[in-house]
Amino acid sequence: GESVGLHLPTLSVQEGDNSIINCAYSNSASDYFIWYKQESGKGPQFIIDIRSNMDKRQGQRVTVLLNKTVKHLSLQIAATQPGDSAVYFCAESGNEKLTFGTGTRLTIIP
Amino acid sequence: NAGVMQNPRHLVRRRGQEARLRCSPMKGHSHVYWYRQLPEEGLKFMVYLQKENIIDESGMPKERFSAEFPKEGPSILRIQQVVRGDSAAYFCASSPTGTVYGYTFGSGTRLTVV
Repeated sequence: GESVGLHLPTLSVQEGDNSIINCAYSNSASDYFIWYKQESGKGPQFIIDIRSNMDKRQGQRVTVLLNKTVKHLSLQIAATQPGDSAVYFCAESGNEKLTFGTGTRLTIIP
Repeated sequence: NAGVMQNPRHLVRRRGQEARLRCSPMKGHSHVYWYRQLPEEGLKFMVYLQKENIIDESGMPKERFSAEFPKEGPSILRIQQVVRGDSAAYFCASSPTGTVYGYTFGSGTRLTVV
């Protein structure tokens, strides 16, 4: 079946630096993508989303880039803070349900 | 608005027992979705329900698992005769529209089968 995958399972970033988390998806019919943050013992928390008719979307300290040609999604976090430590998931959808990637664990180095 | 409420937060069951997980959607949301997360993995879709109806159960195991969302009360995910492999975090999400727009997840129930 279709799946969403991530390039890197772990990422360590110096506090204050920018983080980039990547995601590859395989379902070309997907038209909506979401990045979630999951802290230990908690449910997924919405960060930012993007529709397939867009290439880039910015939020507060976060930017999502979508490259439909190579089916690639990325999440950029500016000026990474200790509170950004978590597992980040990309998810894609074409209807009422989400297909999640495995996740990338982001660790902030003080 | 208390958000999506799941209980219990932690549940321990012996092999062969039954597990019942409850989910109360956000106020005004009539669409409920259940996902399972194994350790170090992403969430996997299990089932989508509206009040009194199962809309999509394509992710549900064929045996031992069932879900309901009655007219009154929370949605229930029921696992009969639990096995060690059922140990996971089970998350519920609700939506006002039946699409992923406005999806909100609960904090999950961590099921441990001993």
